[in-house]
Amino acid sequence: GNSVTQMEGPVTLSEEAFLTINCTYTATGYPSLFWYVQYPGEGLQLLLKATKADDKGSNKGFEATYRKETTSFHLEKGSVQVSDSAVYFCALRGATGSQGNLIFGKGTKLSVKP
Amino acid sequence: DGGITQSPKYLFRKEGQNVTLSCEQNLNHDAMYWYRQDPGQGLRLIYYSQIVNDFQKGDIAEGYSVSREKKESFPLTVTSAQKNPTAFYLCASSISAGDTDTQYFGPGTRLTVL
Repeated sequence: GNSVTQMEGPVTLSEEAFLTINCTYTATGYPSLFWYVQYPGEGLQLLLKATKADDKGSNKGFEATYRKETTSFHLEKGSVQVSDSAVYFCALRGATGSQGNLIFGKGTKLSVKP
Repeated sequence: DGGITQSPKYLFRKEGQNVTLSCEQNLNHDAMYWYRQDPGQGLRLIYYSQIVNDFQKGDIAEGYSVSREKKESFPLTVTSAQKNPTAFYLCASSISAGDTDTQYFGPGTRLTVL
């Protein structure tokens, strides 16, 4: 079945460091891919998405490229800030039999120190 | 402002009691979803509804029930049959159940069984 695997956290970085959170997926067909962010005690917010191969999603300095050849959608940011501390979830939607529901990874907690 | 509201933010329940979590959206979205989040886990789908008066079970529907009598409302009842109900519950909606449609999340309800 469809699944998402993302790197385990927690990830601790200093401010202005480079961030990569790896995400790979297994799916039949051509899913849409998403990154969501969850701040403490809150619901999820959409960070970025890509709906076809080679698309790059970007928002707030974050970006991720849909790589079908490696079934990956890694999240990157060139210079993190303390305010980026949150849990990041990779998710996919679509592909055969999913009824359009989101399949989530387990989340990666990011802590950014001043 | 359009959005998704969930109430209450915190909910306490005694064992053996049913409890209903509210979810309302004013985005005019057809599709609505309920997810459960446990510590260190991704989100798991409980129920979803693609249109009014219709809903389907997700991956972990046992011990839960829903209704969809109005487009804007999708309440979730956690019944006494749910073995381990303590969790963070998130409601989401999307324009439709299409593969590329973004799901938007509410702020969540944290349920604790005493």
